[in-house]
Amino acid sequence: DVKVTQSSRYLVKRTGEKVFLECVQDMDHENMFWYRQDPGLGLRLIYFSYDVKMKEKGDIPEGYSVSREKKERFSLILESASTNQTSMYLCASSGTGKIMTPDQPQHFGDGTRLSIL
Amino acid sequence: AQKVTQAQTEISVVEKEDVTLDCVYETRDTTYYLFWYKQPPSGELVFLIRRNSFDEQNEISGRYSWNFQKSTSSFNFTITASQVVDSAVYFCALSELTGGGNKLTFGTGTQLKVEL
Repeated sequence: DVKVTQSSRYLVKRTGEKVFLECVQDMDHENMFWYRQDPGLGLRLIYFSYDVKMKEKGDIPEGYSVSREKKERFSLILESASTNQTSMYLCASSGTGKIMTPDQPQHFGDGTRLSIL
Repeated sequence: AQKVTQAQTEISVVEKEDVTLDCVYETRDTTYYLFWYKQPPSGELVFLIRRNSFDEQNEISGRYSWNFQKSTSSFNFTITASQVVDSAVYFCALSELTGGGNKLTFGTGTQLKVEL
């Protein structure tokens, strides 16, 4: 089975801190994604990556950055955390081919519930 | 732009009732894929099914069935004889051939509560 592991289930940080959320997948997937989930808004894509060192902005990238130095690891960075970034963050991975195709289901981690005080 | 609408925010049923979760989508692509995911209280989204735009055949898997109708741009999900373990948030999602390859657009989800 595909395993996507997020480093923390719960995290509490203070405004202005630099926050790192880590995600690791073990299925040699090419594509990795970061979403945030908020009540009434569903899942919204922050950033995604289709190859090592490659990244693309999603729908709500403001206030975030990402890093993908190794194929299996995709990090989400909050440069200066703010209270409006309190949310559930979900990492996903997909695809074993070099070309992203729309039929590939994404496999998700358990999520990190981040609170910014 | 693509859009997925799940108009039902929350549904409550009694165990053994049948329940249908609605999903309506918008897209300009002729090639696209639709997905359903289940999110139990533990938080992880679990992939349930994928359907491509050229295959309108309905699908049944145990107590689960899916009805895809291109004419109404709908991809509805029915649970027959619901059980307490079906309680979860269910998301419908759309992926298009153009504009990003494997990007998913999610609906806002339907919270299903199955009570004894």
